[in-house]
Amino acid sequence: QVQLQESGPGLVKPSETLSLTCTVSGGSVSSGSYYWSWIRQPPGKGLEWIGYIYYSGSTNYNPSLKSRVTISVDTSKNQFSLKLSSVTAADTAVYYCARGRRFGELPYYMDVWGKGTTVTVSS
Amino acid sequence: SYELTQPPSVSVSPGQTASITCSGDKLGDKYACWYQQKPGQSPVLVIYQDSKRPSGIPERFSGSNSGNTATLTISGTQAMDEADYYCQAWDSRLQKVFGGGTKLTVL
Repeated sequence: QVQLQESGPGLVKPSETLSLTCTVSGGSVSSGSYYWSWIRQPPGKGLEWIGYIYYSGSTNYNPSLKSRVTISVDTSKNQFSLKLSSVTAADTAVYYCARGRRFGELPYYMDVWGKGTTVTVSS
Repeated sequence: SYELTQPPSVSVSPGQTASITCSGDKLGDKYACWYQQKPGQSPVLVIYQDSKRPSGIPERFSGSNSGNTATLTISGTQAMDEADYYCQAWDSRLQKVFGGGTKLTVL
């Protein structure tokens, strides 16, 4: 059974870069049937999609975050990563990684989620 | 940008039917899915491709999507169904969009 686990610093200073990694176990990030996504949830608020990546390296980002976001995949480590630059307090959130089902170029539903990791932006 | 609108809250009595709506322009032309999130937990997929249930999701969960509205229906609602529910679809640029979420209260 596929499992995803987020990892990275829980505290990031304003203006710095937030870096998180999602490790995939029980499956392969190289599978063409899936895409790999990041989602976040600020305290007490709803879900916000950040972006996703196909194993080929093709990406799609939320327009509101696009200028600051980079998602990459490392097939040798079976991981994918998120970098969010120039963070502010508004980026404080629980960050989730998730696996999505892909049909052709269409990003269907996300069927496996990590437990989430809390990132606080504060000096 | 594409938007999905959900009611902030829905209340239901145990054993009754709960319906949660999700509205978006021509949403019926896209596939909608629904996630359940309980406090302190990560979201769980409960409906995909408008009306399909993943393995392990009880039959009391069902979905539909037509016109501008997708609906999640929970028949015979149980106390364990109390949670936040989010609809999700993708827009013309294949970018994912979540609804704002609906808090389901089982009174």
